[in-house]
Amino acid sequence: DAGVIQSPRHEVTEMGQEVTLRCKPISGHDYLFWYRQTMMRGLELLIYFNNNVPIDDSGMPEDRFSAKMPNASFSTLKIQPSEPRDSAVYFCASSHYRALDTEAFFGQGTRLTVV
Amino acid sequence: AQSVTQLGSHVSVSEGALVLLRCNYSSSVPPYLFWYVQYPNQGLQLLLKYTTGATLVKGINGFEAEFKKSETSFHLTKPSAHMSDAAEYFCAVRYNDMRFGAGTRLTVKP
Repeated sequence: DAGVIQSPRHEVTEMGQEVTLRCKPISGHDYLFWYRQTMMRGLELLIYFNNNVPIDDSGMPEDRFSAKMPNASFSTLKIQPSEPRDSAVYFCASSHYRALDTEAFFGQGTRLTVV
Repeated sequence: AQSVTQLGSHVSVSEGALVLLRCNYSSSVPPYLFWYVQYPNQGLQLLLKYTTGATLVKGINGFEAEFKKSETSFHLTKPSAHMSDAAEYFCAVRYNDMRFGAGTRLTVKP
C-alpha cells in the first residue's frame, strides 16, 4: 500500500476563498483522523471518522470548517471562507482500532497558506 | 477523557549522551500509548507503541520506552544520542481517538 495520501502538498490561497484538502486512507483502515499543526497550538485533533461516520468533531474550530467521508477511500476537509489564521499544516491519518494494531499512519500533510 | 503531557518543549543533549523525553498520561481506562517522531517538513512516523503485555517496549532507531502504571508515565529513552536523532517527538494516547502531547524538540550537539 502507498500509505495515506494527501493532496495537495502545498496550497496558497487568498483570504475568503474556499479551500479543499483531500485524503486517501490506507485500504482497509476503518478510522480516519484530521489534525492541524501550528507552532502555537501543536497538533490538534479536528475530527475523526469511524466506518465513514463522523464520531467527534468537537475539535473543528468554527463553522467555516467542514469534513466529509463519502466512502472508505476518500475524505475531504473544507474551509470556506478561508482566513489567514487558518494557515497551518493539515494532516490526515488512518488506522484500525483493535488490540496490538492501533497506531495511526500519517500522510505527508498539506501546508496551507492563506494570504 | 484521555490526554498526555510532555515535560520540556526543548531538550538538548550531546552526541553520545543519554536521551530522556518525558511523557505522562491521563486516562480513565487502560491506555494505548505511542511515541512518534517528526522530521522537518514530514509527517509523523511511529517510533514505538505500548498496547498490552511487556511494559518495556523497544522501537526503531534504538529507542525504547517503559510503561509505568503507578507513575502514569511512558518516558522515551535512548542510551546514546546520534546527530540524526534531532527531530520533534510526540507522545500520544489512544482510546478510539488519538490525542497528542505538545511535542519535545530534541537537539543533538556535536
